Amino acid sequence: GESVGLHLPTLSVQEGDNSIINCAYSNSASDYFIWYKQESGKGPQFIIDIRSNMDKRQGQRVTVLLNKTVKHLSLQIAATQPGDSAVYFCAENSGGSNYKLTFGKGTLLTVNP
Amino acid sequence: DTGVSQDPRHKITKRGQNVTFRCDPISEHNRLYWYRQTLGQGPEFLTYFQNEAQLEKSRLLSDRFSAERPKGSFSTLEIQRTEQGDSAMYLCASSRRAGQGIYEQYFGPGTRLTVT
Repeated sequence: GESVGLHLPTLSVQEGDNSIINCAYSNSASDYFIWYKQESGKGPQFIIDIRSNMDKRQGQRVTVLLNKTVKHLSLQIAATQPGDSAVYFCAENSGGSNYKLTFGKGTLLTVNP
Repeated sequence: DTGVSQDPRHKITKRGQNVTFRCDPISEHNRLYWYRQTLGQGPEFLTYFQNEAQLEKSRLLSDRFSAERPKGSFSTLEIQRTEQGDSAMYLCASSRRAGQGIYEQYFGPGTRLTVT
């Protein structure tokens, strides 16, 4: 099959700018979506989630937007800081009550001081 | 720190050897998930437990893989006759039913397996 290899989408921003990371999900029946942050050598860290009956949810410095019409999810990070540098994954629950997650490809965010 | 621990953090083994990994979830969490992550990819679901019952296994989980959660607390993942293609990060996630019936998953630091 096609190999996506190590070529992650990347986003480079200046410290203090807002960041927007996008994700296209695969299953129109998915009912729950999560954004995870993963730093090198660590496990994914939960950032924010959203259920399919919502189109926007806000946390501390982060906002998730869900557009079910086009199966698109985005993560907005306000006032991006160097500590936000990491790979960001979106994940979807398309498995009903078992909540086995399907992860997207990931986006590498680099914040320049 | 999510409160989920995994041991060992790194394992280097020769092809053909058996390896076993352990995950200790958050104590009150009744669900435990195993995922595998290769370099540059997102985690892929392998299997999950609710209490001690293994409820689903991915087709990624060949016969060489077995997982247990004997007392509904810690879990082990064993790989027999390891192959180079098994080299990956093995992640454990701990979960319980939260608001609106959602099972939020909190990941451990992972076990990095290298098969030489």
